[in-house]
Amino acid sequence: ETGVTQTPRHLVMGMTNKKSLKCEQHLGHNAMYWYKQSAKKPLELMFVYNFKEQTENNSVPSRFSPECPNSSHLFLHLHTLQPEDSALYLCASSQVGTGGEKLFFGSGTQLSVL
Amino acid sequence: DAKTTQPPSMDCAEGRAANLPCNHSTISGNEYVYWYRQIHSQGPQYIIHGLKNNETNEMASLIITEDRKSSTLILPHATLRDTAVYYCIVSYFGGATNKLIFGTGTLLAVQP
Repeated sequence: ETGVTQTPRHLVMGMTNKKSLKCEQHLGHNAMYWYKQSAKKPLELMFVYNFKEQTENNSVPSRFSPECPNSSHLFLHLHTLQPEDSALYLCASSQVGTGGEKLFFGSGTQLSVL
Repeated sequence: DAKTTQPPSMDCAEGRAANLPCNHSTISGNEYVYWYRQIHSQGPQYIIHGLKNNETNEMASLIITEDRKSSTLILPHATLRDTAVYYCIVSYFGGATNKLIFGTGTLLAVQP
């Protein structure tokens, strides 16, 4: 248990569906992240939020829409996805500080787009 | 792009020390060395990090060379549960820019 909870653990959706991934952290951190991990590829950073403000958008297609209503919750809204978007989506959190922050990851949502 | 170089795979006998090397020759003065590991289909797990001194915690030891261009993660007594992909990452965290860039890592296979 890392203190970062992601739901659902598995999701299957069609290309015309709209779904949302949820992440909640119980660590009192003020930064949250979305990463994508496609099969046999390194993790790719998608979005970063510091104090609820988006500070990084790593050229992610607009069919992925993040939302950070407060420092404990992070969502990833999905619409009109493609089969190549099938991947493990990981959420992480950290406490912004003096330079030695650690990221704590959730267990991820395994997404399959049919 | 990742700024580290790691061997793609290593084997280690159960109960023996696992020494995982990492080269980071372009590391800058304010960048830390982080190690994470990822067991299959789970989120990465933080192991240890350091700036220039050697570090030890309950999971592992981190040895950083004096010129900081390379480091070694040591798992003192590897078990089968230590089989995972190990990532060495150099990064500076601070202010509005906080991100870890993962490479392909080293797949450590602990053999019985």
